[in-house]
Amino acid sequence: QVQLVESGGGVVQPGRSLRLSCAASGFTFSAYSMHWVRQAPGKGLEWVAVMSYDGKDIYYAESVKGRVTISRDSSKNTLYLQMHSLRAEDTAVYSCARINKEYSSGDYFDSWGQGTLVTVSS
Amino acid sequence: QSALTQPRSVSGSPGQSVTISCTGTNHFFVNYNYVSWYQQYPGRVPKLVIYDVGKRPSGVPDRFSGSKSGNTASLTISGLQAEDEADYYCCSYAGTYTFVFGTGTEVAIL
Repeated sequence: QVQLVESGGGVVQPGRSLRLSCAASGFTFSAYSMHWVRQAPGKGLEWVAVMSYDGKDIYYAESVKGRVTISRDSSKNTLYLQMHSLRAEDTAVYSCARINKEYSSGDYFDSWGQGTLVTVSS
Repeated sequence: QSALTQPRSVSGSPGQSVTISCTGTNHFFVNYNYVSWYQQYPGRVPKLVIYDVGKRPSGVPDRFSGSKSGNTASLTISGLQAEDEADYYCCSYAGTYTFVFGTGTEVAIL
């Protein structure tokens, strides 16, 4: 079955960097567009970034544009989120999510990871 | 993209129905019928309950239904049960691989 496992979260000082990983299994990773979604403590879901199945299309939320980079390594079935210049407001659980259709932008998320907590604090 | 607007909370007694609205003014929300709804318990992964406005994944009770008219999508839970107490988020495809979530609604059982 589809499994998404995030790692790399932790406590980091403002202004520092962090790289999150999402290990995928149970499906053909290279066939699916993959997303990062975050949820600040006690707050709602926020879409963060997407990389298309072929890596050619990348988009970011305005709130993180210029400070994060999404990437993927299909040989390792892993999605990444490199975050720079972290701010207190970036504190959240970051989850990777798979779209519902192969070779498509899809129309909903059908699988989610448990998430990894990033805490930005001095 | 601005978040879609949902009421902060709705409540109902067991057996009653509640409807959660999701309003957006962006063209993608009006023009696309790719609205999905997710149920989330505290500390848990979101679970899809409705996709493509009104379609229900297998395993989701038919008490859950969705609709959309103009710039407002709605999720209705009929015959409320205690297990329906959770947070609910709408989500819309926003074009070019991107998505936007609603602000979230807490459903409380009285």
